[in-house]
Amino acid sequence: DTGVSQDPRHKITKRGQNVTFRCDPISEHNRLYWYRQTLGQGPEFLTYFQNEAQLEKSRLLSDRFSAERPKGSFSTLEIQRTEQGDSAMYLCASSLVGSSDTQYFGPGTRLTVL
Amino acid sequence: GQQLNQSPQSMFIQEGEDVSMNCTSSSIFNTWLWYKQDPGEGPVLLIALYKAGELTSNGRLTAQFGITRKDSFLNISASIPSDVGIYFCAGLSGANTGNQFYFGTGTSLTVIP
Repeated sequence: DTGVSQDPRHKITKRGQNVTFRCDPISEHNRLYWYRQTLGQGPEFLTYFQNEAQLEKSRLLSDRFSAERPKGSFSTLEIQRTEQGDSAMYLCASSLVGSSDTQYFGPGTRLTVL
Repeated sequence: GQQLNQSPQSMFIQEGEDVSMNCTSSSIFNTWLWYKQDPGEGPVLLIALYKAGELTSNGRLTAQFGITRKDSFLNISASIPSDVGIYFCAGLSGANTGNQFYFGTGTSLTVIP
């Protein structure tokens, strides 16, 4: 399977703990995006990378959130000191520059903060 | 931020019926994408539109990029039970807002066999 993969698929944590999610994009894609989706809503943009450079961050991305893509391939999204309001589906997507940014999504990581 | 209004919010139809849904924006978009999402899964791309007026089909699905570049439509013909899910539109407005896609709030489709 050469689609976007995310790990883990589900994460349950206690408030105040740190969590880290991983995304592996489609192999030739140089852009990688993170979105958050809450129940009944569409995905909301958090941040995106072109290769290893983080080019844009949403105001939704508080200072407790950090994303990295150190070698321009996989990416990690870390949430520090989780809060109950962080409970959501975290989606990763990738695209290829020059393809009009058509984005392909992974299956998501469902985070539940107790 | 950009607002995408997607309607209807939900639809209950009989198997075999045709479905229409649309998405409107207060701003001009350069790209429109339509996705389908099943519960607990990520959105799956259905159709991508890149030019105003463009009409593109994918099997029983047809989508159009509105002439004003502020709207898009998705039609599903002869619906079947596996069409059940939530359909999202997404728009990309271009240089002034980076490469950020904005999503609608979704249309939930239920197909009654």
